[in-house]
Amino acid sequence: DQQVKQNSPSLSVQEGRISILNCDYTNSMFDYFLWYKKYPAEGPTFLISISSIKDKNEDGRFTVFLNKSAKHLSLHIVPSQPGDSAVYFCAASVLTGGGNKLTFGTGTQLKVEL
Amino acid sequence: NAGVMQNPRHLVRRRGQEARLRCSPMKGHSHVYWYRQLPEEGLKFMVYLQKENIIDESGMPKERFSAEFPKEGPSILRIQQVVRGDSAAYFCASSPPILNNEQFFGPGTRLTVL
Repeated sequence: DQQVKQNSPSLSVQEGRISILNCDYTNSMFDYFLWYKKYPAEGPTFLISISSIKDKNEDGRFTVFLNKSAKHLSLHIVPSQPGDSAVYFCAASVLTGGGNKLTFGTGTQLKVEL
Repeated sequence: NAGVMQNPRHLVRRRGQEARLRCSPMKGHSHVYWYRQLPEEGLKFMVYLQKENIIDESGMPKERFSAEFPKEGPSILRIQQVVRGDSAAYFCASSPPILNNEQFFGPGTRLTVL
């Protein structure tokens, strides 16, 4: 049972344009969401997070939007840069009393082209 | 401030042997998590430990797998009598004592079972 889904395995964007990565979840108990970036042969690197009490969080070029009613979140990267090419994982957890474990999606491979 | 350290980075074992994976959390972090990534999949939670305690092992296979985080020294993930299906990347993450859900990942150990 895949509780966190990233339905696009890959995305290709031109440098300077906006990258939009999408994530859907099924477990209504999730109240904290994170995005991680991963390069080959490395561990995931934390990018940005959002609590369920918010609908938007911004950090530099990265913005995460949360739509609780649709159980959907998205990561916007603008402007996209070649160094952003990596696999992006969406993750979710139950912050209160949930044991802190992260449930990950299967990832989206982003390629930013010159 | 060193990040999460894992060793070895690569481990090759023959079927039936034991694999021991080590994880040293970031300085000041007392929470350790182990995740496994099978080829073409996202990371899957295995176990969550604090010093000398297993808090959540709901993702651990019932047999052959065990984990510990002793008072002194690194956390150990131990896999006995390895099988080919255990071949995967094993990631350790740590977080500080204050629960905030931002887990910091190590570079991973890539286990290959021949």
